[in-house]
Amino acid sequence: DIQMTQSPSSLSASVGDRVTITCQASQDIDKSLNWYQQKPGKAPKLLIYDASTLKTGVPSRFSGSGSGTDFTFTISSLQPEDIATYYCQQFHNLRLTFGGGAKVEIK
Amino acid sequence: EVQLVESGGGLVRPGGSLRLSCATSGFMLENYAMYWVRQAPGKGLEWVSGISWNSGTREYADSVRGRFTISRDNAKNSVYLQMNSLREEDTAFYYCSKDVALGLRGWFDSWGQGTLVAVSS
Repeated sequence: DIQMTQSPSSLSASVGDRVTITCQASQDIDKSLNWYQQKPGKAPKLLIYDASTLKTGVPSRFSGSGSGTDFTFTISSLQPEDIATYYCQQFHNLRLTFGGGAKVEIK
Repeated sequence: EVQLVESGGGLVRPGGSLRLSCATSGFMLENYAMYWVRQAPGKGLEWVSGISWNSGTREYADSVRGRFTISRDNAKNSVYLQMNSLREEDTAFYYCSKDVALGLRGWFDSWGQGTLVAVSS
């Protein structure tokens, strides 16, 4: 199976800060990567697909980049409503796997 | 509006069985592949199983293959997960999720609210 490694596993930042999360795949997955947001007690939501395309309705402060094995998820200006755990997920093959998650908190 | 509503969770003893259901509305179920994804309390997400629009392709995680069976009834707008030989490590919230294509593209585009399965003696 393709292993997805996220870092950091948790972070604390101030409102307005730029937040960056990385995701590394154990093998080349081209751009077959999605990002999800899961708020406490809620189901996950798809934010970004194909590594860098924002799903309709998702605020533009969220962005993604990367291809191959290294990917980045960025919140350009952290807002209180962005408190959540963020997961990357590969769909390069049908043994679908997620990263371990990155919990974002407000400082 | 896409809605996915899971049901059928509960407390079961090791070795027991449960059948989860996912009732769908707001879209044409026969046009999309569907999945089950689980999350142990306080842990990360784990893909469990997926089924294509016509049930022609079914995929399973190694951890559940041979014990779980995914199925669907497009006429009833429902997806199911039959879980047999349950183990304590199957304890989790189970989410139903919709893809964006007929086949298994591997996207979890929409999610239900989840149903809790607890396996304990």
